Amino acid sequence: DVKVTQSSRYLVKRTGEKVFLECVQDMDHENMFWYRQDPGLGLRLIYFSYDVKMKEKGDIPEGYSVSREKKERFSLILESASTNQTSMYLCASSLVWTSRFRETQYFGPGTRLLVL
Amino acid sequence: KQEVTQIPAALSVPEGENLVLNCSFTDSAIYNLQWFRQDPGKGLTSLLLIQSSQREQTSGRLNASLDKSSGRSTLYIAASQPGDSATYLCAVSYTGGFKTIFGAGTRLFVKA
Repeated sequence: DVKVTQSSRYLVKRTGEKVFLECVQDMDHENMFWYRQDPGLGLRLIYFSYDVKMKEKGDIPEGYSVSREKKERFSLILESASTNQTSMYLCASSLVWTSRFRETQYFGPGTRLLVL
Repeated sequence: KQEVTQIPAALSVPEGENLVLNCSFTDSAIYNLQWFRQDPGKGLTSLLLIQSSQREQTSGRLNASLDKSSGRSTLYIAASQPGDSATYLCAVSYTGGFKTIFGAGTRLFVKA
């Protein structure tokens, strides 16, 4: 079974702090994703990565950066946390996709971040 | 703008009922559509994935249908059980780029 783990289930930070959210997958997946989930808005893609050191902006990248130094690990960084970044953060991974087939995404348990 | 809408936002049914969850999408040029389940405070679990060339997929008591021309998908749950209580999300992936759009979900309560 694919396992996607996230470093923290709950996190409380203060405005202006630098925040690191870590995600690790154990199935050698090429693609990794960071989403945030807010009530009534569904999941919104922040960044994704299709290979080591490669990254692409999603729909809402402002205020975030990412790092993928190793295939199994994808980090989301909040450079200076703000209260509007209080949210549930979900990491996902999937196998490489081709033009003919796109693999399902496997999700981690989520990190609920509160910025005070 | 590509959007995915799920109706209703919340649903409460007695145990044993058959029920239908709805998902609509504005851009019909989809690549695939997926239904996920999310338990409170947890991540998402994939239930069913329908490729654009397919009309439906079935897994146990779950059946998902896809009608691209009308921009709709339904998730049918037969003989609902309290353990089915969760939020169900619809996600649409599009060709021509890496993009998956999620609906806001339908929160289901099945009462014993």
